[in-house]
Amino acid sequence: RKEVEQDPGPFNVPEGATVAFNCTYSNSASQSFFWYRQDCRKEPKLLMSVYSSGNEDGRFTAQLNRASQYISLLIRDSKLSDSATYLCVLRSYNQGGKLIFGQGTELSVKP
Amino acid sequence: EAQVTQNPRYLITVTGKKLTVTCSQNMNHEYMSWYRQDPGLGLRQIYYSMNVEVTDKGDVPEGYKVSRKEKRNFPLILESPSPNQTSLYFCASSSWTGSSYNEQFFGPGTRLTVL
Repeated sequence: RKEVEQDPGPFNVPEGATVAFNCTYSNSASQSFFWYRQDCRKEPKLLMSVYSSGNEDGRFTAQLNRASQYISLLIRDSKLSDSATYLCVLRSYNQGGKLIFGQGTELSVKP
Repeated sequence: EAQVTQNPRYLITVTGKKLTVTCSQNMNHEYMSWYRQDPGLGLRQIYYSMNVEVTDKGDVPEGYKVSRKEKRNFPLILESPSPNQTSLYFCASSSWTGSSYNEQFFGPGTRLTVL
């Protein structure tokens, strides 16, 4: 079983739609959780960290459920510029602090 | 400007010809890491370094070497490249505050083709 598993893509949505990505992880010792965004084989960039209490950044909301080992990302009012691959990422301090990446979910927002 | 730089950005080489991909960061970060990204496999860690002269293997270290003689530089060395090392490579760095790691910043990537 992969350490981080994400929804299979691609997601094709119209502008203005709400879209949700899900991610599950298998290592209960995981300490930190993130969503990264990657545009067309460019470098990944941090979109937001994910906290147990849930956190919001504009149109983006992230949730963490440690009991179910589940992370989600909700994008409201999708824009064309949101088209990218979204990577679910966790960091385990018992593995030298390395980042463990999901394979990513591709989002395509259409006019 | 705070950044991670990698060189070269693109490289086509032949099997067995030693090469080095350089990585440099100007943020005084303790932690640096190399990843490779392949279709269907996502990003996988090759090697990482928690500080100068401290390096350790990641998930896919075979065929690679690294060194960390200075804090800012973390070169990736392929002594005898093979076609299965054709990939997109990313270097990353982050700071360590004593109890947690902070955001990892990635370099722009190096697209390597080994013929």
